[in-house]
Amino acid sequence: NAGVTQTPKFRVLKTGQSMTLLCAQDMNHEYMYWYRQDPGMGLRLIHYSVGEGTTAKGEVPDGYNVSRLKKQNFLLGLESAAPSQTSVYFCASSGLAASTDTQYFGPGTRLTVL
Amino acid sequence: QKEVEQDPGPLSVPEGAIVSLNCTYSNSAFQYFMWYRQYSRKGPELLMYTYSSGNKEDGRFTAQVDKSSKYISLFIRDSQPSDSATYLCAMTVYGNNRLAFGKGNQVVVIP
Repeated sequence: NAGVTQTPKFRVLKTGQSMTLLCAQDMNHEYMYWYRQDPGMGLRLIHYSVGEGTTAKGEVPDGYNVSRLKKQNFLLGLESAAPSQTSVYFCASSGLAASTDTQYFGPGTRLTVL
Repeated sequence: QKEVEQDPGPLSVPEGAIVSLNCTYSNSAFQYFMWYRQYSRKGPELLMYTYSSGNKEDGRFTAQVDKSSKYISLFIRDSQPSDSATYLCAMTVYGNNRLAFGKGNQVVVIP
């Protein structure tokens, strides 16, 4: 049981490049989330999904897109990376809504945009 | 005013001491309160979860919620070097999918 896995672990991009971060969970969870963590800012929700085929905006969605084509996967895309998107990105999943169930986090992806 | 305020520290204590961490919040609608622990270069993991005012104990950890003062606390008794981590408070409203996180409080327990 791997829990929540994230690919890649590290990435360096140049301004304007695009990339996709992959999150996978093997717990059959309905809810999945993408967060970014920046020094002095804490964890901020980017987008989330309440089930296969659904997505919704979180607190800081600008510059990111997401897709949930399969229940176990949640993809985060950066179409045109900017230095302000340098951050550590965490994926999480839960069986029920955030208020009533534990969120399980992945190990994170460290992204640097030059 | 930020929704959740948490002094980022860092906080250094000798092994065996009591660690006291706290968060204040401004949204009186928050009903569910959590503490997450995050080791260096790892993802956060849920440590404590409470939904009412009062105390909840789990081993060496005690979570305290005071809704009237909009204040939550985490106490770690008999602290160990393995407790060295960043502790994040989080809170939300029933049915909501967004957790409001504090900035995190780095704790170092010195052997």
